[in-house]
Amino acid sequence: QLQLQESGPGLVKPSETLSLTCTVSGGSISSSSYYWGWIRQPPGKGLEWIGSIYYSGSTYYNPSLKSRVTISVDTSKNQFSLKLSSVTAADTAVYYCARRDIVATLHFDYWGQGTLVTVSS
Amino acid sequence: QPVLTQPPSASASLGASVTLTCTLSSGYSNYKVDWYQQRPGKGPRFVMRVGTGGIVGSKGDGIPDRFSVLGSGLNRYLTIKNIQEEDESDYHCGADHGSGSNFVSFGGGTKLTVL
Repeated sequence: QLQLQESGPGLVKPSETLSLTCTVSGGSISSSSYYWGWIRQPPGKGLEWIGSIYYSGSTYYNPSLKSRVTISVDTSKNQFSLKLSSVTAADTAVYYCARRDIVATLHFDYWGQGTLVTVSS
Repeated sequence: QPVLTQPPSASASLGASVTLTCTLSSGYSNYKVDWYQQRPGKGPRFVMRVGTGGIVGSKGDGIPDRFSVLGSGLNRYLTIKNIQEEDESDYHCGADHGSGSNFVSFGGGTKLTVL
């Protein structure tokens, strides 16, 4: 069974860079059938897609966040990572990593449990 | 890119039925939408995909037959019959930005309360 697990600091200071890693187990991140994405959910609000990455390193970012977002992949560790720079309180959210099938079903089929990141001094 | 709009809340009595709506912005009537269920404190899980012709593909793992979808015009509907306590969740709709696109948008989510 595929599992995704987010990890990283739960508290980040304003203006600093938020860094999270998603570790994939039970399957290979190097499959050609999937993109790997980051999605966040501010407290009491809806989901917001941040961006996605292919195992080759190709990336797609939400235009509203593009200037501050970097997503990278490490196939040797079966991990992909998120960096969000110059954070403010508005970036406080539960951050999820997820897998998106790009061949058959075209939806996010596996999700991590999420990790809460609070931006505060 | 499509904008998806959902009412923030809905409620239904135990055993009753409810229909949740996701509305696509003008010009996107041929787009398919994915429904996700998010139970309190949990990550989202895929329910099913819907287009104007109804369900596209298969339901997500463990989604009961009580859940069904329809699509009409700009609206994509998720209907839950014989509502159970475990159906109390946030329901999100999402869509990619066209065939083959890797850009994704989500609606604001609807919180379903079971009375």
